[in-house]
Amino acid sequence: GAVVSQHPSWVICKSGTSVKIECRSLDFQATTMFWYRQFPKQSLMLMATSNEGSKATYEQGVEKDKFLINHASLTLSTLTVTSAHPEDSSFYICSARDGQGDYNEQFFGPGTRLTVL
Amino acid sequence: AQKVTQAQTEISVVEKEDVTLDCVYETRDTTYYLFWYKQPPSGELVFLIRRNSFDEQNEISGRYSWNFQKSTSSFNFTITASQVVDSAVYFCALIDNTGTASKLTFGTGTRLQVTL
Repeated sequence: GAVVSQHPSWVICKSGTSVKIECRSLDFQATTMFWYRQFPKQSLMLMATSNEGSKATYEQGVEKDKFLINHASLTLSTLTVTSAHPEDSSFYICSARDGQGDYNEQFFGPGTRLTVL
Repeated sequence: AQKVTQAQTEISVVEKEDVTLDCVYETRDTTYYLFWYKQPPSGELVFLIRRNSFDEQNEISGRYSWNFQKSTSSFNFTITASQVVDSAVYFCALIDNTGTASKLTFGTGTRLQVTL
């Protein structure tokens, strides 16, 4: 149980295009999902927290207009990188919290590697 | 604000050696959770352990063991008889402000290289 999937696992796009990354909880209802970003050889940095049906809460320094997050259902959250540029190339990881489970447990997806040319 | 420090950036050992990865944390809360994750080259985070602040008992799971000491705010991770498959980046993490607003704070990670 407690499986989180991400799609796509990797994506290459041209500068200026938008890319959507999906995060799904497969066997539980995720009232809260988190989006992290990880640059090569660095740690995971929380970008935003999204609660189902409400606006995401962004961490300081993260542009909400550039990284659009939609948590429209209890099993799906999407991150859209708008007008992507090479500096947005990174590894994006989502995690999900079970709405009926322990608040202090997060289940991580396998990550999406984004390369912007 | 909470903080997790992993002072060791990279460690290289020969197979069968024991290795300890250090983790020091800072928090103002009395209730918090500590975690260790493994990140192999594939990138997917693998959960290893969670420990709450009220449980200072050390834990052993096969070749893995963890030493939690509140007095020094440390939660160190030891791999006994290391193997090549243990090569990965290991992250220590902390959740405080427990409840619906709780967020994970990660350390900078320790890259472990186990060679033959």
